[in-house]
Amino acid sequence: ETGVTQSPTHLIKTRGQQVTLRCSSQSGHNTVSWYQQALGQGPQFIFQYYREEENGRGNFPPRFSGLQFPNYSSELNVNALELDDSALYLCASSRDRDITEAFFGQGTRLTVV
Amino acid sequence: KNQVEQSPQSLIILEGKNCTLQCNYTVSPFSNLRWYKQDTGRGPVSLTIMTFSENTKSNGRYTATLDADTKQSSLHITASQLSDSASYICVVSRPAVGGSQGNLIFGKGTKLSVKP
Repeated sequence: ETGVTQSPTHLIKTRGQQVTLRCSSQSGHNTVSWYQQALGQGPQFIFQYYREEENGRGNFPPRFSGLQFPNYSSELNVNALELDDSALYLCASSRDRDITEAFFGQGTRLTVV
Repeated sequence: KNQVEQSPQSLIILEGKNCTLQCNYTVSPFSNLRWYKQDTGRGPVSLTIMTFSENTKSNGRYTATLDADTKQSSLHITASQLSDSASYICVVSRPAVGGSQGNLIFGKGTKLSVKP
């Protein structure tokens, strides 16, 4: 049990729609990182939020955006969904941008049809 | 280029047998190396964490080794159980250096199937 919770656990959306995924960080953690994991692949870094600001971004288009709230929970928003966006989305929480000690949530399985 | 390579890609063993999974990395600088167990469709769960100075670390039936000179790690599972069926992912951490952000470099994982 990592104390990092994600919702929803599963989601089915239609191509072109928008989706919001949520992550509650572990108590005492102020940094949330989001990853996309395609089937059979390792997770790919999307972006990181630290104290409500984006603190680094991977190679993802602008239709992937995020927010972090004062309680350090976070949202991942994806606009104009494409079939290739179907994946497991993971969030990891950590302290003070120290990704080396991150703990992962259980993930949200997004299917785009 | 910072990479983590795992082998084998998949493995099938009989319940009760031992197995060893391999991880080679070319990540620099290096902060720590983690082995995660990931059940299908679930988030990764940390099994072991090793820093540069640690050679071996155990967590129950899981024993990880690290050779920082050759940049190789292994995960040994003893007396396998059906519940060990999962993907095992090797993850190497790069610390934040100067203005660059630290990050995690993931291997693609080894898919282990334990059969009765």
